[in-house]
Amino acid sequence: SQQGEEDPQALSIQEGENATMNCSYKTSINNLQWYRQNSGRGLVHLILIRSNEREKHSGRLRVTLDTSKKSSSLLITASRAADTASYFCATSPIQGAQKLVFGQGTRLTINP
Amino acid sequence: KAGVTQTPRYLIKTRGQQVTLSCSPISGHRSVSWYQQTPGQGLQFLFEYFSETQRNKGNFPGRFSGRQFSNSRSEMNVSTLELGDSALYLCASSFGLPPYEQYFGPGTRLTVT
Repeated sequence: SQQGEEDPQALSIQEGENATMNCSYKTSINNLQWYRQNSGRGLVHLILIRSNEREKHSGRLRVTLDTSKKSSSLLITASRAADTASYFCATSPIQGAQKLVFGQGTRLTINP
Repeated sequence: KAGVTQTPRYLIKTRGQQVTLSCSPISGHRSVSWYQQTPGQGLQFLFEYFSETQRNKGNFPGRFSGRQFSNSRSEMNVSTLELGDSALYLCASSFGLPPYEQYFGPGTRLTVT
């Protein structure tokens, strides 16, 4: 079973627009990570935010974390066709910390 | 640094057979985790090995097992294969210490017929 849920399940936008994906989780966490997966291949680590952080940036990515609401969001600015992929949030629970618990993912399509 | 490698990349087996998948972590990483990805259940944690010891285990039947060698390479084995075992099996490596940032291999696509 999965800890989190992602919203929306699918998102289609025009190139150059911003894309926002949300993730909710159920238990207390050490940190939350976002991964990208292209067409059933391996996952690529994007960004990690610790439980005591509220916002983090990496290039065109901005992640926020609200531990009181048990939710996170990933914003991709100025989207490109190459951003087309599935995006997953993964939490590292405080108990069993090395085990990542993934959300269902958001399928992002960038239209040229 | 070379990334995580998994072999084989694709595998077709029949029901009842067993299969062994291999994972070589990034140099210096001591932790290897395995995940199963299916369209219905998504990404699910199988188990994690750190310094040759299983440190965490997911909710999978005993047909799924693994091990880790002294060079941190890991294998997972699935015995008595079922159709539902068809999946993408992903291996991830990390230093094994907080914050547990993991790096994934390309996966092994297992098809059971």
